[in-house]
Amino acid sequence: GEDVEQSLFLSVREGDSSVINCTYTDSSSTYLYWYKQEPGAGLQLLTYIFSNMDMKQDQRLTVLLNKKDKHLSLRIADTQTGDSAIYFCAETGPSGTYKYIFGTGTRLKVLA
Amino acid sequence: DAGVTQSPTHLIKTRGQQVTLRCSPISGHKSVSWYQQVLGQGPQFIFQYYEKEERGRGNFPDRFSARQFPNYSSELNVNALLLGDSALYLCASSLGDREAQYFGPGTRLTVL
Repeated sequence: GEDVEQSLFLSVREGDSSVINCTYTDSSSTYLYWYKQEPGAGLQLLTYIFSNMDMKQDQRLTVLLNKKDKHLSLRIADTQTGDSAIYFCAETGPSGTYKYIFGTGTRLKVLA
Repeated sequence: DAGVTQSPTHLIKTRGQQVTLRCSPISGHKSVSWYQQVLGQGPQFIFQYYEKEERGRGNFPDRFSARQFPNYSSELNVNALLLGDSALYLCASSLGDREAQYFGPGTRLTVL
């Protein structure tokens, strides 16, 4: 079935690293994505990783992909109060479809 | 460059009414996707259009319909509104039907 799972909440102190985890179901997903949503706003694309990669780094963001375990993580280095938001991982749908399947989101709270 | 734009920002309707939501993609993007986000959940895929043709449809009733115009903008129509249709409706655009999707700010629909 189609089910992307994320933990609901994460709280970190400003300056620490945050790690947000996600498990997905479709091994045929070509790309996996991370989006950020601030209150009352749309989704902001943060980064994405191609399924044949293990890691991707983009400034403070590091994405790790364990394809065997269908596990995706997003690490935010030097977390700031402006990083407080809901973070969604998404996988592309089964081969032949064009939809994204989103997790329920992880609410990150950064404490000053 | 302008991002994805959506109108209206907010909308209040009563049960049984019909609503039309509008989306303008990023310039140069030829694909538009629609998602419904109920409070506390991740976005759920409704439709994708590419070059004015429907490329994918999610698990939504026939009361939901959409179209894409020659300028690549799109409309989402919902007939016979139900209370459960209250949600944030998100539009996303992408260069092609399999490229990364960039989201607009959404239209908040409230059905009374």
